[in-house]
Amino acid sequence: QKEVEQNSGPLSVPEGAIASLNCTYSDRGSQSFFWYRQYSGKSPELIMFIYSNGDKEDGRFTAQLNKASQYVSLLIRDSQPSDSATYLCAVRGAGSYQLTFGKGTKLSVIP
Amino acid sequence: DADVTQTPRNRITKTGKRIMLECSQTKGHDRMYWYRQDPGLGLRLIYYSFDVKDINKGEISDGYSVSRQAQAKFSLSLESAIPNQTALYFCATSATSSYNEQFFGPGTRLTVL
Repeated sequence: QKEVEQNSGPLSVPEGAIASLNCTYSDRGSQSFFWYRQYSGKSPELIMFIYSNGDKEDGRFTAQLNKASQYVSLLIRDSQPSDSATYLCAVRGAGSYQLTFGKGTKLSVIP
Repeated sequence: DADVTQTPRNRITKTGKRIMLECSQTKGHDRMYWYRQDPGLGLRLIYYSFDVKDINKGEISDGYSVSRQAQAKFSLSLESAIPNQTALYFCATSATSSYNEQFFGPGTRLTVL
């Protein structure tokens, strides 16, 4: 069974710091990796996704993949209180249309 | 704005009742999905559909059925609700051309007593 593991947190960082979120995945053939943000009581929204061939930077957000160790990370630079949310990692396996989600990491940015 | 809507937003029902959750979208997307979210378990895929004539089971389809009435409408039914189907249900959509980008509706909170 494909698994995606995340530390549930909460992860607390001071405003302006770098927040580092990680998840590990069990399916070595996974090809696409996703980070969603979910505010309390709201629906998930896609922050960014990467393929197995490289990292991506978008504004304050950077997604990085370590295929050898089977983990993907999300770095949030200059963290803001508005970044306080639960971050969901999701993975798509090879030849699959389905996403497997982790349970999420709760991030708290302290002013 | 192009959007994904879900009705009802909240529903309390009793064990054994038949329940239908509805999803509509104005994004023009052809792919639609139903997920459930449980505390401590994350999001899990129930069913997905790539067009009106295409329905596929997801990870946890037992106890659920779906109907794709039109490109813009995708309904989820619980034929005989049970308490462990109490959860937050999300509909999502994506375009075939950018299928990695799924857009979620606001969710339906279902409680089965």
